[in-house]
Amino acid sequence: KNQVEQSPQSLIILEGKNCTLQCNYTVSPFSNLRWYKQDTGRGPVSLTIMTFSENTKSNGRYTATLDADTKQSSLHITASQLSDSASYICVVSEGDNNDMRFGAGTRLTVKP
Amino acid sequence: NAGVMQNPRHLVRRRGQEARLRCSPMKGHSHVYWYRQLPEEGLKFMVYLQKENIIDESGMPKERFSAEFPKEGPSILRIQQVVRGDSAAYFCASSPLRLNTEAFFGQGTRLTVV
Repeated sequence: KNQVEQSPQSLIILEGKNCTLQCNYTVSPFSNLRWYKQDTGRGPVSLTIMTFSENTKSNGRYTATLDADTKQSSLHITASQLSDSASYICVVSEGDNNDMRFGAGTRLTVKP
Repeated sequence: NAGVMQNPRHLVRRRGQEARLRCSPMKGHSHVYWYRQLPEEGLKFMVYLQKENIIDESGMPKERFSAEFPKEGPSILRIQQVVRGDSAAYFCASSPLRLNTEAFFGQGTRLTVV
């Protein structure tokens, strides 16, 4: 069973709308959690990284939250743009070695 | 400072041939990770290398796959006697320390086995 579960698997929204992507994990011990954006045919690019003590972190129109007690994270995208269409991948690093565990991603499509 | 460079971007091989994928990490990075991404699936860890050493190859198939990161030159992921199931995108990431800091990804090599 994957230690990082993302939902929804795919999402279609209209340009200008907001959306929230979810990430639940069972990785333990926890080191940090990152959200990556992966455009089709490209490598993942980091959006945010959060450690145990951080509850929220923003990067422009992207805001990530982390609840280490319930082992849940969310990525909120505000005022979506067509260029936000991509896969968003939740990555949780495990233990002292910081080994990365990848979620399967949420494929977001923003339509005009 | 150039990013992580992977080449070729696209590679087509016939069944039974060998595929060699190259990854040049960012300047100053001595840690390299290889991942495989099947269509419509997430990234799967294959192998973690430091210069001249394989640290963790737990995600790499035992047969036909090998990886190296020589003292000089890029890291190489080698797939011998390719089969159709090897068709995937292969991504490389590099970091200056073992993932205590940011890991940067290359653009990937898309391997197609015909």
